[in-house]
Amino acid sequence: AQKITQTQPGMFVQEKEAVTLDCTYDTSDQSYGLFWYKQPSSGEMIFLIYQGSYDEQNATEGRYSLNFQKARKSANLVISASQLGDSAMYFCAGPNTGNQFYFGTGTSLTVIP
Amino acid sequence: DSGVTQTPKHLITATGQRVTLRCSPRSGDLSVYWYQQSLDQGLQFLIQYYNGEERAKGNILERFSAQQFPDLHSELNLSSLELGDSALYFCASSVDLRPETQYFGPGTRLLVL
Repeated sequence: AQKITQTQPGMFVQEKEAVTLDCTYDTSDQSYGLFWYKQPSSGEMIFLIYQGSYDEQNATEGRYSLNFQKARKSANLVISASQLGDSAMYFCAGPNTGNQFYFGTGTSLTVIP
Repeated sequence: DSGVTQTPKHLITATGQRVTLRCSPRSGDLSVYWYQQSLDQGLQFLIQYYNGEERAKGNILERFSAQQFPDLHSELNLSSLELGDSALYFCASSVDLRPETQYFGPGTRLLVL
């Protein structure tokens, strides 16, 4: 069964604008973690942000924030003030109740100057 | 540079062959994770080791095996290779069992001809 769903294969955003990348997940566990990673064209995987299911506040890391809606089982990534260097593939991952990991199919983000 | 090293960077081999991918974790990290990224299957978690012991298993084929040595480096062995095993293989490491702290290596790109 698919655990992580990313429904946007590709997204475009104007430089300096904000963009939201969608992620929904499926789990019956109460305690889990959700992750976002960035993969530039060079191929490396870069950790962006983490949200624990019991965290009371939405996670933020610089220009990245996670819009966590537990009841809807969604964990959308919001990138504010997009930069050209944000153009990359973005992967949502989780749920993680032990050390198992499931990745979504990714969203390709292109930032337009 | 994440501090995680993987060798070789590229590998080309033939069907039916056996290869070994090597990963050196960041200094002080005890956990090593292996992932496969292919066009067909996307990004998949394969296996995790912690301080020499297997801790979690994902979608790892029986033809694949891994181990973590006393010096904490890890090897992923792929045998009876098939065309579909062509992929980018990532290693990641974290200081403990929590994958939210993991850092990814640059990956080994395997091409099976």
